[in-house]
Amino acid sequence: DGGITQSPKYLFRKEGQNVTLSCEQNLNHDAMYWYRQDPGQGLRLIYYSQIVNDFQKGDIAEGYSVSREKKESFPLTVTSAQKNPTAFYLCASSKYREAFFGQGTRLTVV
Amino acid sequence: GENVEQHPSTLSVQEGDSAVIKCTYSDSASNYFPWYKQELGKRPQLIIDIRSNVGEKKDQRIAVTLNKTAKHFSLHITETQPEDSAVYFCAARVMNYGGSQGNLIFGKGTKLSVKP
Repeated sequence: DGGITQSPKYLFRKEGQNVTLSCEQNLNHDAMYWYRQDPGQGLRLIYYSQIVNDFQKGDIAEGYSVSREKKESFPLTVTSAQKNPTAFYLCASSKYREAFFGQGTRLTVV
Repeated sequence: GENVEQHPSTLSVQEGDSAVIKCTYSDSASNYFPWYKQELGKRPQLIIDIRSNVGEKKDQRIAVTLNKTAKHFSLHITETQPEDSAVYFCAARVMNYGGSQGNLIFGKGTKLSVKP
């Protein structure tokens, strides 16, 4: 079954902890993206990557880090430096036109 | 960098009426403009897109228009139905003919409600 998969669906983090959100795709897409979705704020770009071992900061990269060691994988780490990490996180990938989204991870700080 | 403004933030129409959502972009290099629909609790999905060498594109009840000079594009939904109720996002990106892609920047979304 081809597609883009995010895990976990729900994630709870204690203050001061780093957490990593997984994003895997088997669509052979070159570009991958991480977005944060908050009510009324739309989809804000955190990081994006066009090829393996290369990535660029988006509009709200502070407090986040990524890696792109494999074409299929683009994990996002939410660090303790992110002051307000509670949000819905969406990963996407694309090749030419359409971007395909994962089902999202809802992160809550407890 | 690119900035995409989207209006209105909420839109309520009667079933059968038309709905129009408007977006403006700032980067004149952007040449690809998709529209995504996100139903409650689901992931965004592409419904229509347009490239900058085209002024209008239609797909059944949905159409998108683009004015490159003014840097704005619009989504038009005719004969709206209750199942059209969702959040709609516009976006802009630079697409290169070699296949490389720039970042994909979204507007803040429009919550469309279609009342039966």
